[in-house]
Amino acid sequence: DAGVIQSPRHEVTEMGQEVTLRCKPISGHDYLFWYRQTMMRGLELLIYFNNNVPIDDSGMPEDRFSAKMPNASFSTLKIQPSEPRDSAVYFCASSVLAYEQYFGPGTRLTVT
Amino acid sequence: AQSVTQLGSHVSVSEGALVLLRCNYSSSVPPYLFWYVQYPNQGLQLLLKYTSAATLVKGINGFEAEFKKSETSFHLTKPSAHMSDAAEYFCAPPDNAGNMLTFGGGTRLMVKP
Repeated sequence: DAGVIQSPRHEVTEMGQEVTLRCKPISGHDYLFWYRQTMMRGLELLIYFNNNVPIDDSGMPEDRFSAKMPNASFSTLKIQPSEPRDSAVYFCASSVLAYEQYFGPGTRLTVT
Repeated sequence: AQSVTQLGSHVSVSEGALVLLRCNYSSSVPPYLFWYVQYPNQGLQLLLKYTSAATLVKGINGFEAEFKKSETSFHLTKPSAHMSDAAEYFCAPPDNAGNMLTFGGGTRLMVKP
């Protein structure tokens, strides 16, 4: 089992640019979660999907953030336009049951 | 709503000493409880889980946790710390609906040689 795969592992971009983070969940997992981790705010749940349908996006900070899951094996988190305060590590996690989650290695985003 | 308190954002122990990381949950008895570990520059990894089948749960790397209903606690312990145990540890019960995890603030464990 390859585990949750995220790409890219590191992303450096300039303010105002569009950023797309990608996630491939573990095969057979029905739930997919996007988290953001910063020193100041800790680990925050942004959005989660069940069977490719967004269930709760109340954690998405603002309209600049959007997430999609076009099929069971792929999800994206997009930030447009990006801002320096978006700098963080973004994690994707997947699970069969919502609460036993398996995390990817994360994408470290730096917005200058 | 379910929440969790991890006492001590930083814990420092000497190599070979007992590790004790505290976690208290706030609401009704959760059906499940988890401890996750995050090593530097990595994602969170499931360390162990409580599923009501047994109050003492053994996890990976020699860690264990005991569920105590009377104390609303699920503290994580390891008899002898190794340098490789230096990481951040998160206690996580499910929310009241059982749909997602409620992560604590995390405890950073430092191990001194």
